[in-house]
Amino acid sequence: EVQLVESGGGLVQPGGSLRLSCAASGFTFTRYWMNWVRQAPGKGPEWVANIKEDGSDKYYVDSVKGRFTISRDNAKNSLYLQMNSLRADDTAVYYCARGEGAVWGQGTLVTVSS
Amino acid sequence: DVVMTQSPLSLPVTLGQPASISCRSSQSLVYSDGNTYLHWFQQRPGQSPRRLIYKVSDRDSGVPDRFSGSGSGTDFTLKISRVEAEDLGVYYCMQGTHWPKTFGQGTKLEIK
Repeated sequence: EVQLVESGGGLVQPGGSLRLSCAASGFTFTRYWMNWVRQAPGKGPEWVANIKEDGSDKYYVDSVKGRFTISRDNAKNSLYLQMNSLRADDTAVYYCARGEGAVWGQGTLVTVSS
Repeated sequence: DVVMTQSPLSLPVTLGQPASISCRSSQSLVYSDGNTYLHWFQQRPGQSPRRLIYKVSDRDSGVPDRFSGSGSGTDFTLKISRVEAEDLGVYYCMQGTHWPKTFGQGTKLEIK
């Protein structure tokens, strides 16, 4: 079964850091671009970052550039998102997604609040 | 960024009747490889988004054939031939041609 499972969310104070993980299974991880997509409460999804199959290319939405870093470990079939200098408007459910959104995880909630 | 504009934002429907959602992009979505990366997603309450249609008109595996997509360039449409109760939720179009990938505002399909 094709599956993506996110972890690492939680409550963090403004200015803090968090590292999200996504464990992939049931498909050949190295064949796909991987993505992080977030959805703030009551809002539509927002594509945050993506990374090429071999990790050589990465793209970020402007609002997270310089603060978030996407990475992957193909030996572990895992995707990561290091989030620094977190702000209240980063509060959202963060999803891991494969390729052009064919497969999504269940999401992990990140809440930035004092 | 490419702006995706959906209409209507709310769509009251009668079960068994057809439904149609429009999506317009602020730029052409034709990529240099000739493909148009316009996709449609369904999100039921409390669930992750689920892709229904990719590259304008291709149905994902397991998606009922009452869902269909059409369009070209900057104008696209999702149609449901006969709405069923399980179709209720929010529908999003999304473009993957230009970075950053962007979604429409969403169309809430609800019972009339």
